[in-house]
Amino acid sequence: SAVISQKPSRDICQRGTSLTIQCQVDSQVTMMFWYRQQPGQSLTLIATANQGSEATYESGFVIDKFPISRPNLTFSTLTVSNMSPEDSSIYLCSVAMDRGTDEQYFGPGTRLTVT
Amino acid sequence: QKEVEQNSGPLSVPEGAIASLNCTYSDRGSQSFFWYRQYSGKSPELIMSIYSNGDKEDGRFTAQLNKASQYVSLLIRDSQPSDSATYLCAVTPSGGSNYKLTFGKGTLLTVNP
Repeated sequence: SAVISQKPSRDICQRGTSLTIQCQVDSQVTMMFWYRQQPGQSLTLIATANQGSEATYESGFVIDKFPISRPNLTFSTLTVSNMSPEDSSIYLCSVAMDRGTDEQYFGPGTRLTVT
Repeated sequence: QKEVEQNSGPLSVPEGAIASLNCTYSDRGSQSFFWYRQYSGKSPELIMSIYSNGDKEDGRFTAQLNKASQYVSLLIRDSQPSDSATYLCAVTPSGGSNYKLTFGKGTLLTVNP
């Protein structure tokens, strides 16, 4: 599997501010995704990060709140905008390798606390 | 709403025993099934994928799939304390993208020395 890194690994932010999370992969991948894992909960897909076009958002998630960029096949960012305490969560990027399977591998995650 | 159901646990087994983790899903057309292991404070790690009915074995892990019953399970043989973690079942939906994983809430497994 690919080596996936995320920055920052954790952050504490104030209500109303924004945070941009970076996801870097050590090889080119077709598919990149962003998930959220709220405390004690499972993972929920936020959006698919499409290279060269707008991200595809899942129900309940909107671009104004979670803008995503994917400038190339190894890098993506997720911004959490105008944060509230309800945004406190772990944010994870995942990638699907070009191997003819739909297996996904996750980055280490970013633990966000909003005060 | 497509759903994936797992017993939240905790499931407690003694070291050396077989741990059996179960998962049911509502989307009859689902084609791909995955088990992830998540240690506390860590991100999910893919341990098994299964696509066809029957058993798939990888070391101490065996995944079992029964599409007619919409049921997938994970068996861990010779359980070790290091297997203590939350196990997440994930399923891809029928039609459209095969990449949109739907996760269950996970089963917490504790292996007692």
